[in-house]
Amino acid sequence: EPEVTQTPSHQVTQMGQEVILRCVPISNHLYFYWYRQILGQKVEFLVSFYNNEISEKSEIFDDQFSVERPDGSNFTLKIRSTKLEDSAMYFCASSEEQGFVWGSPLHFGNGTRLTVT
Amino acid sequence: AQSVTQLDSHVSVSEGTPVLLRCNYSSSYSPSLFWYVQHPNKGLQLLLKYTSAATLVKGINGFEAEFKKSETSFHLTKPSAHMSDAAEYFCVVIDPVLYSGAGSYQLTFGKGTKLSVIP
Repeated sequence: EPEVTQTPSHQVTQMGQEVILRCVPISNHLYFYWYRQILGQKVEFLVSFYNNEISEKSEIFDDQFSVERPDGSNFTLKIRSTKLEDSAMYFCASSEEQGFVWGSPLHFGNGTRLTVT
Repeated sequence: AQSVTQLDSHVSVSEGTPVLLRCNYSSSYSPSLFWYVQHPNKGLQLLLKYTSAATLVKGINGFEAEFKKSETSFHLTKPSAHMSDAAEYFCVVIDPVLYSGAGSYQLTFGKGTKLSVIP
């Protein structure tokens, strides 16, 4: 079964550094997402991406965050200047488009655990 | 606004006994509801989904959930727990009010219930 893959599985970085989290969505999917889960808290929506542009973003997704689909397969999340509070598990997800298919599920990757020191 | 409440942060059952993981939601309209499971060091895997068809939904690995509109509940059950069921389970809702029309949408997650299975 096709999977969403994320690399690296764990990233440690110093405060103020830039990090790029990478994702390869399922190949025939057209919608891409980033969610995050701070330890002990809920999984939160960050951003959705379709047709090479952001569709929606949450208030968490401020100017330090950006997303990109640099080629036909990768989908990246960049955090420009990391803060301690960015430490979390970041999940990439993708979904296929079938017109408006209500409840079309998201397929999630295994996540990247980001630790900011 | 939509929200999801998972009533238990941790549930412990003996192998072979029934599992009940509770979820209540609030939503402006008829929502779509999902249960996802996360095994240690793994991603979020879809267990089952409710999208206004049958109220009793069957999922993978013997799990099922019943949508009860009058109780605003979507509890997850399994008749007999297996050791491999030990994981964290998330109840998730999509509220059509938040649907942007562009085909993308936001999921609202519950805080999760950690299921332990005792041999």
